[in-house]
Amino acid sequence: EAGVTQSPTHLIKTRGQQATLRCSPISGHTSVYWYQQALGLGLQFLLWYDEGEERNRGNFPPRFSGRQFPNYSSELNVNALELEDSALYLCASSLFEYEQYFGPGTRLTVT
Amino acid sequence: SQQGEEDPQALSIQEGENATMNCSYKTSINNLQWYRQNSGRGLVHLILIRSNEREKHSGRLRVTLDTSKKSSSLLITASRAADTASYFCATDGGSGSARQLTFGSGTQLTVLP
Repeated sequence: EAGVTQSPTHLIKTRGQQATLRCSPISGHTSVYWYQQALGLGLQFLLWYDEGEERNRGNFPPRFSGRQFPNYSSELNVNALELEDSALYLCASSLFEYEQYFGPGTRLTVT
Repeated sequence: SQQGEEDPQALSIQEGENATMNCSYKTSINNLQWYRQNSGRGLVHLILIRSNEREKHSGRLRVTLDTSKKSSSLLITASRAADTASYFCATDGGSGSARQLTFGSGTQLTVLP
């Protein structure tokens, strides 16, 4: 069974640009979660999507947004990039309230 | 904010020894999960223990949960060099944020060959 996949692996952007990160959940999982792991800040919850709807949001500004498609894949968009947005962005999926399984992450570097 | 706090922050042991990591959290939970992360890569799910469980085993892993003390421990027996990684506990809880995982700061485990 394929795990959670994320693309791209690495992304380099300049300040002020927009970044789009993609995630495909494990087959059959309907929930997708996004987390940010920034140096010195640890792993922080960003967004939770389930059945195409945003269900919960972490303490991040509105320029962090996303969506979930009918096939349950998801996209995270970060607008007006700032240097402190440089981080590893992890996507996870789950079936209902059970274990969350993570993808390999997208490393975003903002210069 | 980080709800969980792992202890110790770093642990170095010899291959074959047991490694114990502890996690404390602040609010009530539905379940607690342990993850492993190798060198800034994705998280690997190790084990989930529900709030009504006290102990769970999976291979060389043993997890305990004490909800009265709001703490959990992860024991890795007969450690191997390949176990070298960062280990995180993650909790969820509350009806509104039940799916949102809150991670601890992690324990960096180094297993020396």
